Amino acid sequence: DVKVTQSSRYLVKRTGEKVFLECVQDMDHENMFWYRQDPGLGLRLIYFSYDVKMKEKGDIPEGYSVSREKKERFSLILESASTNQTSMYLCASSLLTGGGSYNSPLHFGNGTRLTVT
Amino acid sequence: GQSLEQPSEVTAVEGAIVQINCTYQTSGFYGLSWYQQHDGGAPTFLSYNALDGLEETGRFSSFLSRSDSYGYLLLQELQMKDSASYFCAVRPPHDRGSTLGRLYFGRGTQLTVWP
Repeated sequence: DVKVTQSSRYLVKRTGEKVFLECVQDMDHENMFWYRQDPGLGLRLIYFSYDVKMKEKGDIPEGYSVSREKKERFSLILESASTNQTSMYLCASSLLTGGGSYNSPLHFGNGTRLTVT
Repeated sequence: GQSLEQPSEVTAVEGAIVQINCTYQTSGFYGLSWYQQHDGGAPTFLSYNALDGLEETGRFSSFLSRSDSYGYLLLQELQMKDSASYFCAVRPPHDRGSTLGRLYFGRGTQLTVWP
């Protein structure tokens, strides 16, 4: 089974702090994703990556950056945390689909609940 | 852009059948997926429809009609453990990220199963 591990289940940070959320997957997946989940808003994509050192902006990248130095690890960085970044953060990975209707399901980690005070 | 609409909440009793609808507005997409998420847990993949019609996996079935821009997840013989949030998701073909596997998710439907 694919395992996606997020380093922290709960984090509490202060406004203005630099925050690192770490994610590791063990199935050699090319794709990795960071979503945030808020009540009533579903899952919104922040950033994704399809290879080492490659990254693409999602729908809500403002205030975030990412790093992918190794294939198995994808980090989400909040350069200066703000209270509106209090949320559940979900990391996911999948195989590269290569287009077409081939399905490559996302495998999610258990999430990091971040509170910024 | 992509827009997927789902009911926010559905309730049913054990043993019943429930249908969770998903309507979408998109210029086209490769397929419709469904994910389940229990409270405090990770979303997990349930089903995928690449073509129109019904896909059955045990008690769960998923349906897609591209001409109607509509799909649904059907849960039969409901059990208490089916209480969860259910998300539909699409992968659009004209988005650069589509070949990279990105999905657009609906806002989710909270299913509550009563004894």
